[in-house]
Amino acid sequence: KQEVTQIPAALSVPEGENLVLNCSFTDSAIYNLQWFRQDPGKGLTSLLLIQSSQREQTSGRLNASLDKSSGRSTLYIAASQPGDSATYLCAVIYYGGATNKLIFGTGTLLAVQP
Amino acid sequence: GAVVSQHPSWVICKSGTSVKIECRSLDFQATTMFWYRQFPKQSLMLMATSNEGSKATYEQGVEKDKFLINHASLTLSTLTVTSAHPEDSSFYICSARQGIPQHFGDGTRLSIL
Repeated sequence: KQEVTQIPAALSVPEGENLVLNCSFTDSAIYNLQWFRQDPGKGLTSLLLIQSSQREQTSGRLNASLDKSSGRSTLYIAASQPGDSATYLCAVIYYGGATNKLIFGTGTLLAVQP
Repeated sequence: GAVVSQHPSWVICKSGTSVKIECRSLDFQATTMFWYRQFPKQSLMLMATSNEGSKATYEQGVEKDKFLINHASLTLSTLTVTSAHPEDSSFYICSARQGIPQHFGDGTRLSIL
């Protein structure tokens, strides 16, 4: 079964701290991996998309890495701000099947304290 | 960027009624649309995948007679929750894509009394 797991489930840090969110997946035959942000009661905002041939992507204070061989991805957030507080979801598209489907991880709830 | 519009954003209705949720791709033609369900403090679970003009493919455990999906055009998909009951209360999110990546709507919060 193709599963995506995120650790930790919840994280609270003081403002300004750098932090790392972890994502692991069971099958290395992925097409791409995507990180999303979800604010309470809202839809998803795409943060970074990493193709299977890439090792990392950067956008502003965010950096996402991908290691297919170990089945892991990390999202690094530099100089965290209270506005970064949200749930962060990683999702993987696997090769194969009639339609490639996005499989979501369990999510990490981040709280950045002012 | 690509925009997916979902309507309504919030609906409250009595048990036993049917509720229709619309998902539109505003500036691209979506060959495939997806419907997800999210319970509080949980992740998104894929309910079904639909391609324009064909029947939806439902994930295991999702009742196709309870959750009717119609993908009549390349820009519109609808999810109808038939004879809704309190256990159907959830956050429903649609997604659409033409290629990669998928684009998501803002979700519909459904509350059944």
